[in-house]
Amino acid sequence: RKEVEQDPGPFNVPEGATVAFNCTYSNSASQSFFWYRQDCRKEPKLLMSVYSSGNEDGRFTAQLNRASQYISLLIRDSKLSDSATYLCVANTGNQFYFGTGTSLTVIP
Amino acid sequence: NAGVTQTPKFQVLKTGQSMTLQCAQDMNHEYMSWYRQDPGMGLRLIHYSVGAGITDQGEVPNGYNVSRSTTEDFPLRLLSAAPSQTSVYFCASSYISGPQHFGDGTRLSIL
Repeated sequence: RKEVEQDPGPFNVPEGATVAFNCTYSNSASQSFFWYRQDCRKEPKLLMSVYSSGNEDGRFTAQLNRASQYISLLIRDSKLSDSATYLCVANTGNQFYFGTGTSLTVIP
Repeated sequence: NAGVTQTPKFQVLKTGQSMTLQCAQDMNHEYMSWYRQDPGMGLRLIHYSVGAGITDQGEVPNGYNVSRSTTEDFPLRLLSAAPSQTSVYFCASSYISGPQHFGDGTRLSIL
């Protein structure tokens, strides 16, 4: 079983739509969680950390549910520039486990 | 602020050749790591280090060596290149619990 699992998509949404991604992790000892975005053939870039109380950064909201072992990312008012692959990450001990990514395309 | 610097950006090798991918960070991070990314596979951890003189294996360590003689540098060595090692390689650094900061990658092809 993979440490972190994501729906690969693709998600194709119109501009202005709200879209949500979920990610599950298998190890209850995982300590910290993150969302990254990755543009085609480029390095992953940190989008936001995920805190137990949930956190928001502009149009982006991240949630952590430890009981069900999943994290989520909500993007409101989607922009064309949000088109990318979104990676969720769980830190367990001294290792970071990445999901395979969810592809998002925002359509004009 | 350079962040994480990887060299080279592109490399073509022949099967059996060896080479070293360089990674340097200037953020005084304890943690450094190497990943490979293949289509449909996501990022897979090769080796990581929690400080100078300390290294450990990740998910896919075979065929690769690392060392960490300084906090700043974490080179990755391919001992005898194989076509299965064709991939994009990313180096990352962070404080122990993250978040990780990535270099812009090395695209490696092995013929």
